[in-house]
Amino acid sequence: RKEVEQDPGPFNVPEGATVAFNCTYSNSASQSFFWYRQDCRKEPKLLMSVYSSGNEDGRFTAQLNRASQYISLLIRDSKLSDSATYLCVVRSGGFKTIFGAGTRLFVKA
Amino acid sequence: EPEVTQTPSHQVTQMGQEVILRCVPISNHLYFYWYRQILGQKVEFLVSFYNNEISEKSEIFDDQFSVERPDGSNFTLKIRSTKLEDSAMYFCASSPDRLSGNTIYFGEGSWLTVV
Repeated sequence: RKEVEQDPGPFNVPEGATVAFNCTYSNSASQSFFWYRQDCRKEPKLLMSVYSSGNEDGRFTAQLNRASQYISLLIRDSKLSDSATYLCVVRSGGFKTIFGAGTRLFVKA
Repeated sequence: EPEVTQTPSHQVTQMGQEVILRCVPISNHLYFYWYRQILGQKVEFLVSFYNNEISEKSEIFDDQFSVERPDGSNFTLKIRSTKLEDSAMYFCASSPDRLSGNTIYFGEGSWLTVV
């Protein structure tokens, strides 16, 4: 099983749609969870951290289910500028950060 | 906003040559990292560095690779005797401390092409 697994997509959605991404991780000792976005040939940029209680930042909502080792990201009212690859990222308390392969999102007018 | 800066942005080198990629982490950060991303693949952890020594490294980070903090600001990745498969984007990153919840900030990357 991959350490961090994501549906590669791509997800093709119209502007204004709601889209959800899922991620599973294999190490039950993982402690920190993040969603990053990466534009083509650019560096990963933090979108949001994911907390056990779930958290929201504007149109973005992240959820964590430790029992199922599952993380999700919900994007509401999609914008053209949301088109990117969304990376699920997991840290286990050490220095090593494990990235998922990413889910590609295309938002169309 | 403070940022991680990397040079060069793009380097082409011949197989077998040595390459040094340079990074200036955010000034008050204590932990430094190198990651790589082969075109079309996921971001992979290479090494972390703290207090002038390697704190953790992946299986990718073999004897071909080394890191150094030669002064108070720069953090370098040296790749000896480059191979074709070393062609990738190399990202430097830094974080303020090792608390697992802390964000890692990435530089814009150095694209290495080995020919």
